[in-house]
Parts: sequence; C-alpha cells; structure tokens
Amino acid sequence: TQLLEQSPQFLSIQEGENLTVYCNSSSVFSSLQWYRQEPGEGPVLLVTVVTGGEVKKLKRLTFQFGDARKDSSLHITAAQPGDTGLYLCAGVVFSGGYNKLIFGAGTRLAVHP
Amino acid sequence: ETGVTQSPTHLIKTRGQQVTLRCSSQSGHNTVSWYQQALGQGPQFIFQYYREEENGRGNFPPRFSGLQFPNYSSELNVNALELDDSALYLCASSLARALTSGSPDTQYFGPGTRLTVL
Repeated sequence: TQLLEQSPQFLSIQEGENLTVYCNSSSVFSSLQWYRQEPGEGPVLLVTVVTGGEVKKLKRLTFQFGDARKDSSLHITAAQPGDTGLYLCAGVVFSGGYNKLIFGAGTRLAVHP
Repeated sequence: ETGVTQSPTHLIKTRGQQVTLRCSSQSGHNTVSWYQQALGQGPQFIFQYYREEENGRGNFPPRFSGLQFPNYSSELNVNALELDDSALYLCASSLARALTSGSPDTQYFGPGTRLTVL
C-alpha cells in the first residue's frame, strides 16, 4: 500500500513568516503533484514535479522533489492571508494503463494578518 | 473555475439507501476520476473511467459503481449506504493523451458533493 504522510497537519502563522510543508513516502512515484483546496471547492493543481531533485518556483512558492522521488517539500516565503487553505500532495502512480493519484492527508495552513 | 460541475451540492440520506451523484466534465475530456474525501483527510481514489469504460479502481467495494456518458457527464452510484460513506465526493476530469505514458494528465476537480448518511 502506497502512503503519503504530510507534516505538519496544521500550521498557524503570522503574515510575512516563512514555512515549509513536507510530504514523505516509502514508495517511489513517477511524479508528484501539489494542490490547494479551499472550503467548498475541489483541489486546484499548483505544480507537478517529475524529475528527482527537481525544483520549481511559483512566485513565493518553491516546490522540491526528492532525489529518490519518494518525498517532496513546499516552501512559502513571506506568507500572506491569501495563502490560507488546505495543501495536499499527491503521488502519481502509473499502473494498469492509467494514472492514479495517492493523496496525503493535507496540511491546513492559516495565515493571520 | 475548472469547468467541472457536480450535483447536488449537498445530500442527506439514511443508512441502507442508494444515492446517485452527478458530474459534468470539461468539454473534450475523455477521462473522469472519482474520489472520496472524508473529513480531515485527503481524497481517496474510488475509480476512473476512460471513454465510458472503467479502467482503474481503488480499494472500494462493488456497491460503489459508476457510469460515464458520451456527453462528458458521469455518475457515481453508491448502494446500501453506510454511516462511513459520509464524505465529500469529488470528480475530476482530464484529457488522457497516452495511456502508455507515466506523465500525469492534469485533473480538474469539481467542487464536490457533500453526502451525509444518518
């Protein structure tokens, strides 16, 4: 069974602080995706990382895929209240001719003004 | 706005009943996946339909079934509802370009249907 563990589960910080969210597994994934989900909405894709060691930047968000393609991190610089939401990592497994997403339980981030 | 819609938004059922949830995919998307998201958890993969055929299934019993139609709509049916079926049900549509490729297709999620089983 492939599992993704996210940490921390909850994060409450002040505007302007930096933070890092971790996503770890004992399994290797063909790629990994990060989503953000707001109340009453479905997850929205932020980024896909494919190559081990890959780093992608999206404005103040930096995503890294571990060298062994088993873990990933999301770093947010100078967090803003608009960053508040549930951040989900999802490992992509290609098996039986289709892609399946294995989600972590998520990190709930609250950024206070 | 992902262009994926789901209905109804909320639903309350009692144990043992049957329920049908509906999803309208983005136009042109040939793949739809369904997920169950319990409170405080990440989405769990139920199954995926590609060109109207089920081509992948997660660890869910047969009382969870689905259909995909040519008009980009799909259904999730759950029979003999149990209390643990209470969750947010999400559908996600995508355009699968190559089933032999490990490159992930972008899945566009709908807002979900919140199902409560009493």
